[in-house]
Amino acid sequence: QVHLVESGGGVVQPGGSLRLSCATSGFIFHYYGIHWVRQTPDKGLEWVTFIWKDSSKTFYADSVKGRFTVSRDISKNTVYLELNSLRADDTAVYYCARDNGPYSSSYYWGQGTLVTVSS
Amino acid sequence: QSALTQEASVSGTVGHTVTLSCFGTSNNVGRYTVGWYQQISHNPPKTVMFGSSLPSGIPARFSGSKSGTTASLTISGLQPEDEADYYCSTWDDSLSAWVFGGGTKLTVL
Repeated sequence: QVHLVESGGGVVQPGGSLRLSCATSGFIFHYYGIHWVRQTPDKGLEWVTFIWKDSSKTFYADSVKGRFTVSRDISKNTVYLELNSLRADDTAVYYCARDNGPYSSSYYWGQGTLVTVSS
Repeated sequence: QSALTQEASVSGTVGHTVTLSCFGTSNNVGRYTVGWYQQISHNPPKTVMFGSSLPSGIPARFSGSKSGTTASLTISGLQPEDEADYYCSTWDDSLSAWVFGGGTKLTVL
């Protein structure tokens, strides 16, 4: 059974940093890419970033480009999202999700982790 | 403004059929598989359709289709537990990014 579990969320001051983790199980890790998607309390889903199954490609939304970095560790079946220069409008629940093939959208979702940027 | 356009709200009666739409362009919906996601009360999203393929555990009353640059999610025999927000998403090769629609709030009467 496919599982994705996010962790690392919390409260951080504007300009601060945070690292989110997405621990995966139930599938062959290096066969699939991983998305990060976020959602603010009163808005819809916003795609944030994607890392290819072998880390050869990464993609970022314009709103986070240059501030967020996605990576993956095959030895731990885990994907990381480094959040830097955080702003109030980065406050959201962050979900990681596994894809279902090349250039595929999210398929299996985690439970999410809340990031709050506030002074 | 979302790259994909969805109805803000749709309502339907228990037992009846509703169709939700996802309007895009030839750079996204017209070329790539569209995912549909159900979200109830801001719980984690659940994939209810992938193109026209039904994920495991999703009732067969859900179906998906596409015509040109418009994807559709049809729910037949509507049930009270189908009341939720529904989002569509796909890859956009002009943006080199994945995009979501703004979401449709489905109300079951």
